[in-house]
Amino acid sequence: SAVISQKPSRDICQRGTSLTIQCQVDSQVTMMFWYRQQPGQSLTLIATANQGSEATYESGFVIDKFPISRPNLTFSTLTVSNLSPEDSSIYLCSATGGGEQYFGPGTRLTVT
Amino acid sequence: EDQVTQSPEALRLQEGESSSLNCSYTVSGLRGLFWYRQDPGKGPEFLFTLYSAGEEKEKERLKATLTKKESFLHITAPKPEDSATYLCAVQLSGNTPLVFGKGTRLSVIA
Repeated sequence: SAVISQKPSRDICQRGTSLTIQCQVDSQVTMMFWYRQQPGQSLTLIATANQGSEATYESGFVIDKFPISRPNLTFSTLTVSNLSPEDSSIYLCSATGGGEQYFGPGTRLTVT
Repeated sequence: EDQVTQSPEALRLQEGESSSLNCSYTVSGLRGLFWYRQDPGKGPEFLFTLYSAGEEKEKERLKATLTKKESFLHITAPKPEDSATYLCAVQLSGNTPLVFGKGTRLSVIA
């Protein structure tokens, strides 16, 4: 199994600023993904973080708002830009390992 | 459009009262069906992956089964610590992301 850590675990940010979330996996993984979970809702895929190339975004999510980096096989970052209260959510990093998909503990973002 | 539907949305059980959660899916092809447990404020915890109809997997009081169109998560003699949201997700091929249902919120009352 893959163990995934995220930083920060939570943050409170001002409207108009940005937050960068880091995701670290304890082993090399093929695929990494970023999900959003709004209060009381299930998980929605934001993008697939591709190593060495641009991320692949799902419908409704754009690179200018959610830039993603993946410099190697164990690390990725998600930035949520130009924050608004609607961005208040839990952001989850996920990775596939051994055919299974594992999740980090999440980053709880509150925008004021 | 591919869909994953979980029922019921919420379930309240007495301790020891066994029950089942349902996950039905309409996808054009299925590589695997995943079950996760999620506690409030935490990331989903992997429970099972099922790959083919007829497959069953067990872990403590939980047993997951799969047919061609749905999966069941059976909970036998649940305890209060089994209270959580249980998420079902499908994957269409090896490295594609999961598509999640909305989850079932389980409450087990002592």
